Amino acid sequence: QKEVEQNSGPLSVPEGAIASLNCTYSDRGSQSFFWYRQYSGKSPELIMFIYSNGDKEDGRFTAQLNKASQYVSLLIRDSQPSDSATYLCAVNPTIKAAGNKLTFGGGTRVLVKP
Amino acid sequence: GAGVSQTPSNKVTEKGKYVELRCDPISGHTALYWYRQSLGQGPEFLIYFQGTGAADDSGLPNDRFFAVRPEGSVSTLKIQRTERGDSAVYLCASRSGTDNSPLHFGNGTRLTVT
Repeated sequence: QKEVEQNSGPLSVPEGAIASLNCTYSDRGSQSFFWYRQYSGKSPELIMFIYSNGDKEDGRFTAQLNKASQYVSLLIRDSQPSDSATYLCAVNPTIKAAGNKLTFGGGTRVLVKP
Repeated sequence: GAGVSQTPSNKVTEKGKYVELRCDPISGHTALYWYRQSLGQGPEFLIYFQGTGAADDSGLPNDRFFAVRPEGSVSTLKIQRTERGDSAVYLCASRSGTDNSPLHFGNGTRLTVT
């Protein structure tokens, strides 16, 4: 079992709809969770991070965390063609040790069709 | 600098040759990470520096890979006796070192071993 798993997609979404991306992780001790967006040929850029169970909203993005189920998700509301990219879920095992490495999932490719 | 800088952006080398990849982190960032990303995959952790020392090198695939950060700023990833399987994008990232600080990625070096 991979440490961080994502559906590779592509996830095809009509413009204006909600894109829902899922991520599961195997390390029950994981404490902090990150979503990165990566355009083709570019480097990953941070969208959001979440540490506590529940929802966290930032603009059109909402991250949801359920530690009991070892599950984190990202919702993109009012999807735009510019949201077409690969979305990477990353997990950090502890919130206190800033140096710990992030473990990434394989990414979900999202295609927003006009 | 304004962001993480990696050079060269592209490197083509023959099997068996030695290569060096350079990373210049964001000024003041104490933590520096190297990741490797193959096509269609998420970034795979290689090594992490806190200051001058390698705090975690558990991701280096074998002893052909080595990295240094002698003055706690610029880092060099060195690969000896390159193999075709080493072909990938090598990403460098830095962070300020505070608990919740995100990773900031450079644009990567695309290494092709022929």
